[in-house]
Amino acid sequence: NAGVTQTPKFRILKIGQSMTLQCTQDMNHNYMYWYRQDPGMGLKLIYYSVGAGITDKGEVPNGYNVSRSTTEDFPLRLELAAPSQTSVYFCASVAQGDTEAFFGQGTRLTVV
Amino acid sequence: AQKITQTQPGMFVQEKEAVTLDCTYDTSDQSYGLFWYKQPSSGEMIFLIYQGSYDEQNATEGRYSLNFQKARKSANLVISASQLGDSAMYFCAMSAVQGAQKLVFGQGTRLTINP
Repeated sequence: NAGVTQTPKFRILKIGQSMTLQCTQDMNHNYMYWYRQDPGMGLKLIYYSVGAGITDKGEVPNGYNVSRSTTEDFPLRLELAAPSQTSVYFCASVAQGDTEAFFGQGTRLTVV
Repeated sequence: AQKITQTQPGMFVQEKEAVTLDCTYDTSDQSYGLFWYKQPSSGEMIFLIYQGSYDEQNATEGRYSLNFQKARKSANLVISASQLGDSAMYFCAMSAVQGAQKLVFGQGTRLTINP
């Protein structure tokens, strides 16, 4: 059981470039989330999904897009990267009715 | 809106001592959950313990217990018999029970266990 898998683990982007952070889970969880963690801070919710085809904004959605075409995958798209998007990104999933969120290992993104 | 406050940026404790990490929260939800996560220097998020707002007993998981005081809106984490491996960042978080369980995190407390 792999749990929640994020790729890549590290990435350096130039200002204005775009990229997709991949997230996949093999636990058949309905709920999936993207959080970002800035240095010395707690995690903040970017986007979330309660099931395939359904996504919604979190606290800090500007500059990002998501899609949920399958239960397993929840990619996060950065368009026109900015230095303010330098952060560690975590994907997480939860089974409906459950309480424990399972987190991926994180993606450390630097925009220069 | 929900808010989590962790007022201790750093804590230093001797090995084998007990330690309490503070967490206060604010919410207008009637049903909510409170969580503690550990983040070691390797960066992953490790779930430690959960307390539901309607649970009458304080949650316990091994050496971890959650001191839940609903009237004071506090959810402190108590680690008994601390170990060197407990050195990490600790985050308190909360979510509504109904719906998508979106987590709201505090800023964290860096715990250092001294030998």
